[in-house]
Amino acid sequence: ETGVTQTPRHLVMGMTNKKSLKCEQHLGHNAMYWYKQSAKKPLELMFVYSLEERVENNSVPSRFSPECPNSSHLFLHLHTLQPEDSALYLCASSQVGSNTGELFFGEGSRLTVL
Amino acid sequence: AQSVTQLGSHVSVSEGALVLLRCNYSSSVPPYLFWYVQYPNQGLQLLLKYTTGATLVKGINGFEAEFKKSETSFHLTKPSAHMSDAAEYFCAVSERSGGYQKVTFGTGTKLQVIP
Repeated sequence: ETGVTQTPRHLVMGMTNKKSLKCEQHLGHNAMYWYKQSAKKPLELMFVYSLEERVENNSVPSRFSPECPNSSHLFLHLHTLQPEDSALYLCASSQVGSNTGELFFGEGSRLTVL
Repeated sequence: AQSVTQLGSHVSVSEGALVLLRCNYSSSVPPYLFWYVQYPNQGLQLLLKYTTGATLVKGINGFEAEFKKSETSFHLTKPSAHMSDAAEYFCAVSERSGGYQKVTFGTGTKLQVIP
């Protein structure tokens, strides 16, 4: 495996379900990000973990709960979602201290909330 | 606070024609600037980046962009469009914020290439 891997690629859930999105990076990076991509909206930064510590929580509703057990793995736990939460959820990673600012993205998890 | 404006949510060009996608930014510090490309059902892939040095940067697939500080612009160009260039393109600006890269993206421009 190389790069950033996200699973599942597609997820359909009801509003009362509990599910999780998983992200794994194989780049040796130490910062990981969750972005939400909705139609006709800019990419929204949701959470950032740097050196396994959450450093950004961008006013995200509590029905989204991130978890970063180590620098290679990032989860997004989902519960009691709303239909407007349907979107593409993108995970990214970067190297803290890098002077380029480049993010490396996974292919995304397409979430549909019924 | 930094921001990015991409003019034109949709751009259509004929195959073989010049591609020009516009991006203007605002940043309180010298910016790092990026163009990312997103193909359908995929994540974002870095096309090119400007950090310091030469203001004309070349990227993958024949794309290039020029950083113009006086115009706060970072427009993306390609001399001759290919069908495979059809995708959505995002301009982004980044600055260090604590222990991570705070990246702000534009709203994206969908490029259509007409045969």
